[in-house]
Amino acid sequence: DTEVTQTPKHLVMGMTNKKSLKCEQHMGHRAMYWYKQKAKKPPELMFVYSYEKLSINESVPSRFSPECPNSSLLNLHLHALQPEDSALYLCASSLFQTGTPGYTFGSGTRLTVV
Amino acid sequence: KNEVEQSPQNLTAQEGEFITINCSYSVGISALHWLQQHPGGGIVSLFMLSSGKKKHGRLIATINIQEKHSSLHITASHPRDSAVYICAVRSEEYGNKLVFGAGTILRVKS
Repeated sequence: DTEVTQTPKHLVMGMTNKKSLKCEQHMGHRAMYWYKQKAKKPPELMFVYSYEKLSINESVPSRFSPECPNSSLLNLHLHALQPEDSALYLCASSLFQTGTPGYTFGSGTRLTVV
Repeated sequence: KNEVEQSPQNLTAQEGEFITINCSYSVGISALHWLQQHPGGGIVSLFMLSSGKKKHGRLIATINIQEKHSSLHITASHPRDSAVYICAVRSEEYGNKLVFGAGTILRVKS
């Protein structure tokens, strides 16, 4: 298995909803990442987990809450989002946080906040 | 000024043409990545380079560490190559995080 699987592919949520994004990989990668990508812009790093511990939080608002229950799974819990949080949320993984020998990206979750 | 500069921003080519996309960066890096993103889609990692040249099918990536420059070449381009191509670098100066270029939007016409 050489993929990063993200679910759901599309999500529409209201500003008072609570929802979660899920990311899974079975490549034995020990670093996992959440990125946010707005239209026509490059991805922006949100969080990095290394060996299931939060390694980097890029000053992300607390309405986004990451969780890494085990080495294969990464969640992003969403609560009280704003319409400007609508974006493509990408998960990625790499063997180690050094990024070698490369990154594997998921196909993303397209989130719309109404 | 962006840390990673790509050119051109937009590129339209006729099917079969040879395509070059350029990437320049300003600091010492540990690795450079070329990524592909189709409209509305996720990202596919094409190459990771720290020196020299790599080839995969019709794609060739080169890097010149001294000049802080990399190129992505597509030979015999095809409409299915239409996508955004993104250069990203990893450097200790950026806390070992990936820093992305703005991307090159490629459209290959049949």
